[in-house]
Amino acid sequence: DVVMTQSPLSLPVTLGQPASISCRSSQSLVYSDGNTYLTWFQQRPGQSPRRLLYKVSNRDSGVPDRFSGSGSGTDFTLKISRVEAEDVGVYYCMQGTHWPHTFGQGTKLEIK
Amino acid sequence: EVQLMESGGGLVQPGGSLRLSCAASGFTFSDYWMSWVRQTAGKGLEWVANINQGGSEKHYVDSVKGRFTISRDNAQNSLYLQMNSLRAEDTAVYYCARDAGSSGWFYWGQGTQVTVSS
Repeated sequence: DVVMTQSPLSLPVTLGQPASISCRSSQSLVYSDGNTYLTWFQQRPGQSPRRLLYKVSNRDSGVPDRFSGSGSGTDFTLKISRVEAEDVGVYYCMQGTHWPHTFGQGTKLEIK
Repeated sequence: EVQLMESGGGLVQPGGSLRLSCAASGFTFSDYWMSWVRQTAGKGLEWVANINQGGSEKHYVDSVKGRFTISRDNAQNSLYLQMNSLRAEDTAVYYCARDAGSSGWFYWGQGTQVTVSS
């Protein structure tokens, strides 16, 4: 199975400051159709996961534009330009290129 | 509005069985692949199984093959997960989710807790 490795696992951030989460895969996530199926999820405390970004950088409807995704191959990044209180939670990357689809361990974002 | 509502979780002894249900509404259920995804305290999120629109194609993560069976009833807009020979490591919150192909799942239920313990 493809192993997804996130860092850091804990991310204390000051309100209004940027945040960045890294996600690395054990194999390239470029699929035969040319797409890269790397997805980011947010899970707020007590809630179900929420999809934020798909195919590396495509934001889902309702996701603020302070969230952005980048990367290619095996190296990906989720960036939050200015952290707000509602961003507290755990962030997961997931690969959908290889079966089974696999998740990173999660990065817990908290406010300093 | 798309809604997914799981039920059927609970406390079960090792080796026991449980059947989870997911009631879907707000979309044409029979048009979509559906999945079960679980979340444990130790391993985080894990895709468990999925099923195609007609129920003829099913896939499972290796750790549940031969023990879990995913099924659906399109007339009842319902998804199921029959879990047999349960183990302590199956303890998790189980989510029903609507597949978005290789881009994961946009719609999730609220989850149902399954605890396997003596």
